[in-house]
Amino acid sequence: AQRVTQPEKLLSVFKGAPVELKCNYSYSGSPELFWYVQYSRQRLQLLLRHISRESIKGFTADLNKGETSFHLKKPFAQEEDSAMYYCALKSSTGGFKTIFGAGTRLFVKA
Amino acid sequence: GAGVSQSPSNKVTEKGKDVELRCDPISGHTALYWYRQSLGQGLEFLIYFQGNSAPDKSGLPSDRFSAERTGGSVSTLTIQRTQQEDSAVYLCASSADRASYNEQFFGPGTRLTVL
Repeated sequence: AQRVTQPEKLLSVFKGAPVELKCNYSYSGSPELFWYVQYSRQRLQLLLRHISRESIKGFTADLNKGETSFHLKKPFAQEEDSAMYYCALKSSTGGFKTIFGAGTRLFVKA
Repeated sequence: GAGVSQSPSNKVTEKGKDVELRCDPISGHTALYWYRQSLGQGLEFLIYFQGNSAPDKSGLPSDRFSAERTGGSVSTLTIQRTQQEDSAVYLCASSADRASYNEQFFGPGTRLTVL
């Protein structure tokens, strides 16, 4: 079955500390992986996608097919990173369905 | 340019009534998605449109749910005979086309409360 698992509902770190939001997936084909973020009182928006291999706002995520993971990392968390983060999966071979994880709320303390 | 818009922003209805939720995608976007976000849950995929057709309706939770899209633009999600478990935030998103790597742009959502 297709599934995206974000094991942590809440992650609290101090400003300047490293942060890692975990995402594991179950998918039989070749997936496209995304991280979406929702800041307080804002719309859900794309943070990054694995195909771009980009770093956005200091965040990176590496697709590990062996471990079926796509963890989101940032070496030094900032207070403005506090938000809800969703990992999402989509088929790369023409499927339309996007599967989202339950989300992780990141709280960065001063 | 305007982003994805949804109306109404909030809807309170009585159990058993029908409701219609509207989504206006970004102009020119051919792909349109509906999701449901229940309290404490992630986003649940409901339905996808490419143009006016819906190749994937697998996420609709029951036959009380239906959706249509006309003119390759505006989409309406209809819930008949609403139940309390239908209470959720309904999100619409659009993307330039169905390519898997394309970013989805989300609307602000409609918060539905069924009393």
